[in-house]
Amino acid sequence: DAGVIQSPRHEVTEMGQEVTLRCKPISGHNSLFWYRQTMMRGLELLIYFNNNVPIDDSGMPEDRFSAKMPNASFSTLKIQPSEPRDSAVYFCASSSHLRNQPQHFGDGTRLSIL
Amino acid sequence: TQLLEQSPQFLSIQEGENLTVYCNSSSVFSSLQWYRQEPGEGPVLLVTVVTGGEVKKLKRLTFQFGDARKDSSLHITAAQPGDTGLYLCAGAEETSGSRLTFGEGTQLTVNP
Repeated sequence: DAGVIQSPRHEVTEMGQEVTLRCKPISGHNSLFWYRQTMMRGLELLIYFNNNVPIDDSGMPEDRFSAKMPNASFSTLKIQPSEPRDSAVYFCASSSHLRNQPQHFGDGTRLSIL
Repeated sequence: TQLLEQSPQFLSIQEGENLTVYCNSSSVFSSLQWYRQEPGEGPVLLVTVVTGGEVKKLKRLTFQFGDARKDSSLHITAAQPGDTGLYLCAGAEETSGSRLTFGEGTQLTVNP
């Protein structure tokens, strides 16, 4: 079975540019999570969806960040405009919506904003 | 949001030594999951513990869930260089379905 697929794996861009990160969850999973990981703050939940509907976006740092899930097999996380402090590894994960189920992570997008 | 405190944050040991990583909270979780993350990859589930007092073993790794379901520990016996990685505990909240609260992680380095 294919796991969670994220693209791109690496992104280097200049501050002020728009960045779009993409995620394809595991087929049949109806919960999707976006995380950000840094050395200083560890793994932070940004937003999560159940059945394509955003449930909690309280972790989204500010209005420059937005996420969408137009269908069950695709989600995007967009940063506009990007800033150097947004540099981090961004992970997408999916799971069943049931409690106590594991989350399956993609390999992440390493984002560097110059 | 419930918080999980993980300790130690960093651990560097010699091959063959034993170690324990702790995960503590003041809140009750319906389950605790342990993940391991290697460089350039996402976290991968090692085990889920659900029942208070539960102990699970995975080869040289022993996981325990506290009786009150507020804490958990991971014990590694005779560590090997292949055990090197970031270990993360994650709690499933009672009322939030599939959402997990992650600890800060323990970076383990096992030197040959």
